[in-house]
Amino acid sequence: DQQVKQNSPSLSVQEGRISILNCDYTNSMFDYFLWYKKYPAEGPTFLISISSIKDKNEDGRFTVFLNKSAKHLSLHIVPSQPGDSAVYFCAAIIQGAQKLVFGQGTRLTINP
Amino acid sequence: GAGVSQSPSNKVTEKGKDVELRCDPISGHTALYWYRQSLGQGLEFLIYFQGNSAPDKSGLPSDRFSAERTGGSVSTLTIQRTQQEDSAVYLCASSSRLYSNQPQHFGDGTRLSIL
Repeated sequence: DQQVKQNSPSLSVQEGRISILNCDYTNSMFDYFLWYKKYPAEGPTFLISISSIKDKNEDGRFTVFLNKSAKHLSLHIVPSQPGDSAVYFCAAIIQGAQKLVFGQGTRLTINP
Repeated sequence: GAGVSQSPSNKVTEKGKDVELRCDPISGHTALYWYRQSLGQGLEFLIYFQGNSAPDKSGLPSDRFSAERTGGSVSTLTIQRTQQEDSAVYLCASSSRLYSNQPQHFGDGTRLSIL
């Protein structure tokens, strides 16, 4: 049972435009959400997070939106840069349970 | 170093052999986690430690898998009698404490290949 789903395996965006990565979840007990970025042969790097009591969190070029009623979150990157090309993982956690539940990842390619 | 350190970075071994994977967390981080990523899949939780105890081992796929942590620092994940389906990247993460919104910080993983 895939509790966190990233339905787009890949996304291609032109440099300078907005990248939007999507994530859906099924477990309404999740109360904290994170996005990680992963380059080949490296571990995931924490990018940005959001608590379920918020609907938006912004950090520089990165903004995460949470729609609890739809059980949906998205990561917006604007403007997109070539260095943003990586695999992006959405993750969710029930605080107190400690284990992160990850989506399958979306490979983002930024084209010059 | 400042980050989570894992060794070896790559391990190739024959089916049926035992392997040990090591994780050195960020200094001062009390919580330590093991995940694995099989080809084309997301990260799958295996086990976490608070100090030297493991409150949640629910992700360990079989009794061939075990892990320990000593001195509240280094952790070892052991896989006995390896099988081909054990081939994956094994990732370790640490965070400063449990029950908080502190993100988990990952090492670069050990790529395990079972021939």
